[in-house]
Amino acid sequence: AQRVTQPEKLLSVFKGAPVELKCNYSYSGSPELFWYVQYSRQRLQLLLRHISRESIKGFTADLNKGETSFHLKKPFAQEEDSAMYYCALSPLGNAGNMLTFGGGTRLMVKP
Amino acid sequence: ETGVTQSPTHLIKTRGQQVTLRCSSQSGHNTVSWYQQALGQGPQFIFQYYREEENGRGNFPPRFSGLQFPNYSSELNVNALELDDSALYLCASSLGRGDNYGYTFGSGTRLTVV
Repeated sequence: AQRVTQPEKLLSVFKGAPVELKCNYSYSGSPELFWYVQYSRQRLQLLLRHISRESIKGFTADLNKGETSFHLKKPFAQEEDSAMYYCALSPLGNAGNMLTFGGGTRLMVKP
Repeated sequence: ETGVTQSPTHLIKTRGQQVTLRCSSQSGHNTVSWYQQALGQGPQFIFQYYREEENGRGNFPPRFSGLQFPNYSSELNVNALELDDSALYLCASSLGRGDNYGYTFGSGTRLTVV
């Protein structure tokens, strides 16, 4: 069974400060990790995935298999980054591609 | 290109009743997944349909059932509603079972069971 844990329900930072949203997972196989974001009054949308190794809106995330973590980072937070962030895991491969989500972290960026 | 649309947006039902929620997948997507999101929690996987066949199921009882149609739209049916079924139900479509591009989510149906 897989599990995703986001230890912080709420993270509040000032504009321009670095931000790190924590995500830890447990899964016995090879995981694919994602970050999804939900801005106010909008639908859940994919922010980034580890396999593509890209930076979206200044956010990056590195998969650390030793620590089973996939923390989301941004060096300088912007007010428009305020949103709900969900870390999610999917087993690699085609069979039963369910996403397992963490409980989410609300990021508030203060001016 | 249209996104994922869900109907209705809100629904109130009485305990013991049955409900059907509908989802139209994004154009070109042949896989639909359903998630339940209780207040303050992350979405939980209910099941996935690929080309009209169930392709995986989460830890939900059999009174949660689904269908996928030839046009890849989908329904989620819940029988014998319980108060704990009150949640936001999300539909997500993807291009195939292999999640190469991520899922496109709908806005959800908020179900309240009283």
